[in-house]
Amino acid sequence: KQEVTQIPAALSVPEGENLVLNCSFTDSAIYNLQWFRQDPGKGLTSLLLIQSSQREQTSGRLNASLDKSSGRSTLYIAASQPGDSATYLCAVRLIQILSYNTDKLIFGTGTRLQVFP
Amino acid sequence: EAGVAQSPRYKIIEKRQSVAFWCNPISGHATLYWYQQILGQGPKLLIQFQNNGVVDDSQLPKDRFSAERLKGVDSTLKIQPAKLEDSAVYLCASSLDGGKETQYFGPGTRLLVL
Repeated sequence: KQEVTQIPAALSVPEGENLVLNCSFTDSAIYNLQWFRQDPGKGLTSLLLIQSSQREQTSGRLNASLDKSSGRSTLYIAASQPGDSATYLCAVRLIQILSYNTDKLIFGTGTRLQVFP
Repeated sequence: EAGVAQSPRYKIIEKRQSVAFWCNPISGHATLYWYQQILGQGPKLLIQFQNNGVVDDSQLPKDRFSAERLKGVDSTLKIQPAKLEDSAVYLCASSLDGGKETQYFGPGTRLLVL
């Protein structure tokens, strides 16, 4: 059974710091891994998606890496800003060989980030 | 492009009552998902539709939860009767055609069962 763990559970940092959020998963047979952002009272926004054959993806100040063999991914946030305050979730998409278009996402419990001025 | 719409945004009920949530996916999206997110946890998939057919409902508590997507567009999720442990945010998401397509999430319905 795939389990996804995120550490730390919460993080509070001053503005300008570089951050690393960690995600680990128990089964390396994944299709891809995705990082989401969740703001209070709002849905999830996809930040980065890494295919299983890729090692990293970048978007602006965000960089996500994937080491499938060790079951780990990291989300790097450069020069953090108060607007980055949110909960960050990672999710792995399982390989569903026998079922057409089933694409179950298994989510971690999230890291709640607070960036203060 | 309009996003995924959900209603109501908040609902408070007493245990053993019934409740229904509505979701309207992004236009043209064939795949629709319902997730349950309990406080402090990540979302958990309850049911996945491909058009109006169920693809995966393995984690749906079928003794009390039901969902339908009759015309392959909008969907309703019902809980009858509700239990205290059903208190959670219910998220709806849609994607163009499932598989490797990105899922787009709605704002969620926050349910409190007293």
